[in-house]
Amino acid sequence: EVQLVESGGGLVQPGRSLKLSCVASGFTFNNYWMTWIRQAPGKGLEWVASITNTGGSTYYPDSVKGRFTISRDNAKSTLYLQMNSLRSEDTATYYCTRRGTTGIPWFAYWGQGTLVTVSS
Amino acid sequence: DVVLTQTPVSLSVTLGDQASISCRSSQSLEYSDGYTYLEWYLQKPGQSPQLLIYGVSNRFSGVPDRFIGSGSGTDFTLKISRVEPEDLGVYYCFQATHDPLTFGSGTKLEIK
Repeated sequence: EVQLVESGGGLVQPGRSLKLSCVASGFTFNNYWMTWIRQAPGKGLEWVASITNTGGSTYYPDSVKGRFTISRDNAKSTLYLQMNSLRSEDTATYYCTRRGTTGIPWFAYWGQGTLVTVSS
Repeated sequence: DVVLTQTPVSLSVTLGDQASISCRSSQSLEYSDGYTYLEWYLQKPGQSPQLLIYGVSNRFSGVPDRFIGSGSGTDFTLKISRVEPEDLGVYYCFQATHDPLTFGSGTKLEIK
């Protein structure tokens, strides 16, 4: 069974940093692209960052580019999201997701999410 | 950025009836490889989103055949026939044809 377990969320002041983790199990981690998706309280879904299965390429929307860094440790089956220069608008639940077996679909499996609150 | 416009914003349906959700894109979602990267997700109350449909009309593993995706180009529809209580929640369309990847704003399905 595919399992994705996020951690690392919490309350952080604006301008500070936070690092999220996602431990994967139930599949061969280094075979799959991984993605972070976020959802602000009461709002819709937003793509945050994606990484190829080897970690060789990463992708971001403009809203987080230069502030967030996605990475992975395939030996530990763990995905990370380093978030710097946090803003109030980064307050959201952050979900770790796995791509489908053939590369389609993008978000075949989701974790339970971890809440990040950016506030002074 | 590609804008996905979902209608209606909310939908109240009697159990056993059909529900229909529209997702219209500001650009064609057919990629140069001929594939259309349009997916549908459902977020049930208090839960993480879950995948329903990929590639416009392909049901993900375990998704009942009551869920039917259709469409092409810029115009897509998710139909739920014979709505059941467990279908309530917010439905999102999503596109991965164009960068950045974007979601629709969601359609909330309520049961009458």
